[in-house]
Amino acid sequence: TQLLEQSPQFLSIQEGENLTVYCNSSSVFSSLQWYRQEPGEGPVLLVTVVTGGEVKKLKRLTFQFGDARKDSSLHITAAQPGDTGLYLCAKETSGSRLTFGEGTQLTVNP
Amino acid sequence: GAVVSQHPSRVICKSGTSVKIECRSLDFQATTMFWYRQFPKKSLMLMATSNEGSKATYEQGVEKDKFLINHASLTLSTLTVTSAHPEDSSFYICRAEDRGTYEQYFGPGTRLTVT
Repeated sequence: TQLLEQSPQFLSIQEGENLTVYCNSSSVFSSLQWYRQEPGEGPVLLVTVVTGGEVKKLKRLTFQFGDARKDSSLHITAAQPGDTGLYLCAKETSGSRLTFGEGTQLTVNP
Repeated sequence: GAVVSQHPSRVICKSGTSVKIECRSLDFQATTMFWYRQFPKKSLMLMATSNEGSKATYEQGVEKDKFLINHASLTLSTLTVTSAHPEDSSFYICRAEDRGTYEQYFGPGTRLTVT
């Protein structure tokens, strides 16, 4: 059972557009991780957010952690075809186990 | 940086046979490794936690007799899919935790196809 809800599940946009992906839970996160995965490869960690209200930027990617630490968002500015991939949020549970959201498949068309 | 490898990267096997997938931490020791499976266009689902020197801990609904996990050393965990069936075809990914830093790293995955 997924404990994290991601939306949208699929997103197809044109190069240069902006987009936001959301990750929500009914329970509080101690921390949240965002990953990007390309076909046939393992996920790559983008960022970890820990503090409620925290905002982190990674080039054109902006990650926000909700004040109540129950939700997070990933915003991409001026998307490029190289941003295409599966974006996953994940929370750490007991024993260092990671539980993933359903994922958002992003396609950026040139 | 830390690297986790998986072998093989791709494997095709016939229904009823067993397949072993290896996960190695190349420059760190890992007392804990995690095995995930991923179906096309879906997210990762945790199958089990592999503990060095002890039995693996399986997630609810995962058959421990079908997915055998052995973590015999601090750098190697193996997942054996026994009596594989076409529905076992999936992308299997491991994640290793550095025992010193607690940083965690994903392997590149293994694509299993059962015919």
